[in-house]
Amino acid sequence: AQTVTQSQPEMSVQEAETVTLSCTYDTSESDYYLFWYKQPPSRQMILVIRQEAYKQQNATENRFSVNFQKAAKSFSLKISDSQLGDAAMYFCAYRVMYNNNDMRFGAGTRLTVKP
Amino acid sequence: DGGITQSPKYLFRKEGQNVTLSCEQNLNHDAMYWYRQDPGQGLRLIYYSQIVNDFQKGDIAEGYSVSREKKESFPLTVTSAQKNPTAFYLCASSVRQGNGQFFGPGTRLTVL
Repeated sequence: AQTVTQSQPEMSVQEAETVTLSCTYDTSESDYYLFWYKQPPSRQMILVIRQEAYKQQNATENRFSVNFQKAAKSFSLKISDSQLGDAAMYFCAYRVMYNNNDMRFGAGTRLTVKP
Repeated sequence: DGGITQSPKYLFRKEGQNVTLSCEQNLNHDAMYWYRQDPGQGLRLIYYSQIVNDFQKGDIAEGYSVSREKKESFPLTVTSAQKNPTAFYLCASSVRQGNGQFFGPGTRLTVL
C-alpha cells in the first residue's frame, strides 16, 4: 500500500522568508501524481501545486515550488516570500496515475507565519 | 461560478439518528468522493463514484451510505451504525482520470 509521510507536524516562518515542508512517500509504481494541498482555517482544501512523476522538471506556481526527488521518493514544498495568508495546514498527497480513486494523504504540517 | 457546495456547514445529531450530508457540484465532473478528516490525521476515503448510479467503498465505508442518482449530486448518509461519527467531512470531485481533486468547504458533524 502506498503511504505518505509528513515528518513535520508544525513549522513556522517569518513573514517574507522562505520555508520548506517535507514529504516522503512509499510506492512501487512508476507513474503517479503528487500534490500539495493547503487547508486554511476555513478548512476548505485548496490545490497548491501538482507534479507528474514522469516529468523531471520541478513544478512551480508563483511563490510555491517543489523539489521532486523520484529516486529518494521525496516531494518537498518550498514557499518563498512567505505571507500571513500562507498560514494553514499543508497536506501532501499521492495517487497512481491511472487510478483517481486512490489518493493518499499525509497527516499534514501546520504552518505558522510570524509577522 | 463553478464549484462544489456542501451543506450544512455545521450539523448536530443525537446518537442513534441517521443524518445526510449534501454535496453538489456544477463542474461537470464525472467522479465524486467523500472523505473524513479527524484531528491530526490526513483525509480518509469513505466512498467514491466514477459515474451516475455507481459507487464504491473506500477505506472506511462502514456505517456510511451514499447514492449517485444525478451527476451533480453525491449525498452521504451517516447511519447510527457509525460508531464515532463526530468529524469533519469533505466532498470532492474530479474529471474521471484527472490529475487533481477539487474540494467543497466541508461539513462539521457533531454527535451529541
